[in-house]
Amino acid sequence: KQEVTQIPAALSVPEGENLVLNCSFTDSAIYNLQWFRQDPGKGLTSLLLIQSSQREQTSGRLNASLDKSSGRSTLYIAASQPGDSATYLCAVNFGNEKLTFGTGTRLTIIP
Amino acid sequence: NAGVTQTPKFQVLKTGQSMTLQCAQDMNHEYMSWYRQDPGMGLRLIHYSVGAGITDQGEVPNGYNVSRSTTEDFPLRLLSAAPSQTSVYFCASSPITGAGNTIYFGEGSWLTVV
Repeated sequence: KQEVTQIPAALSVPEGENLVLNCSFTDSAIYNLQWFRQDPGKGLTSLLLIQSSQREQTSGRLNASLDKSSGRSTLYIAASQPGDSATYLCAVNFGNEKLTFGTGTRLTIIP
Repeated sequence: NAGVTQTPKFQVLKTGQSMTLQCAQDMNHEYMSWYRQDPGMGLRLIHYSVGAGITDQGEVPNGYNVSRSTTEDFPLRLLSAAPSQTSVYFCASSPITGAGNTIYFGEGSWLTVV
């Protein structure tokens, strides 16, 4: 079964620190991978989309990497701010028109 | 700049009642989908559509119906609500297909079945 896992479920870091969120998936034959942000009571906002042929994508303070051979992706957030506090979800497209989501990491940035 | 609009935002149903969650997008996207989000289980795909007149089942389709008569609208119908359908429901859309394109989500519909 194709699965996506995000560990830890929750993470707290002081403001200003750099941090890494992890995503692992069971099938290396992926089509693409997306990172989303979800604020409480809100929908999901797409942050970064990495195609199967890419190794990383960057947007501002965010950098997402993809290593298909090891079944892993990381989301790097530089110089964290309180406004970065949210739940971050990873979703993998295994090539079947459907996204498989991880359960997310709830990030709290401590001022 | 509406994007993906879901209604209602909140709904309480009694067991056995039926209802429709509405979803509309104004971006002319071909691909639309419905997910449910439950604690500890992430988002799970209920149904999806790759264009008007075409729908298909996702991971958890039982108890739900969909139709796609226009590009803009993709309603989700609960036929006979059960407490197990208490969840947060998200509608999403993307250009062409879900593969390889940024996907846009609505704000969610909170459903409680008592």
